[in-house]
Amino acid sequence: DSGVTQTPKHLITATGQRVTLRCSPRSGDLSVYWYQQSLDQGLQFLIQYYNGEERAKGNILERFSAQQFPDLHSELNLSSLELGDSALYFCASSVDPGGETQYFGPGTRLLVL
Amino acid sequence: GEDVEQSLFLSVREGDSSVINCTYTDSSSTYLYWYKQEPGAGLQLLTYIFSNMDMKQDQRLTVLLNKKDKHLSLRIADTQTGDSAIYFCAESIRYGQNFVFGPGTRLSVLP
Repeated sequence: DSGVTQTPKHLITATGQRVTLRCSPRSGDLSVYWYQQSLDQGLQFLIQYYNGEERAKGNILERFSAQQFPDLHSELNLSSLELGDSALYFCASSVDPGGETQYFGPGTRLLVL
Repeated sequence: GEDVEQSLFLSVREGDSSVINCTYTDSSSTYLYWYKQEPGAGLQLLTYIFSNMDMKQDQRLTVLLNKKDKHLSLRIADTQTGDSAIYFCAESIRYGQNFVFGPGTRLSVLP
């Protein structure tokens, strides 16, 4: 158990809908990362927050947004969902902003029908 | 643009050494990482190396970096069945930002 929790574990929704994925980092970790893993695109870095501020942005679509709240949990919002958004979404946390010691959550598996 | 390549499959016998290779294209990559994903499980950051290093050793793991050839390798000594997993190589240009992943190498350990 990494100490990083993600909810929900599974999510099934329809095209055009909007969903919110939630991540709670390990106690004391200030940095949260979001990743997407799909069969088509492989593993991709989406976005990173550090202590409430966006620190790095990767291959995140405009339809997706994220934020980190004062209690350091983070949410990833996916809107206007398409079939291709079906993937495993991982969250990771680290105490430092450099990602040298990232701890990963179990992931949220999203299926868009 | 950035691109990271890995061979997709590797099989070794239990007790042998495994060497997983990775090449990257961006010469300004400063951090290189190895991640492990076990079947049905999440990701685990195994180790990383800074671009000013040639080698890093951590118990059974040895990372070698050849900056001239933009080649990174992960050697696992005395490979065990528990090492069966997919191993991802990743690079980042800035400190902990914008990780770019390879396609992953599936390591199968045969008894």
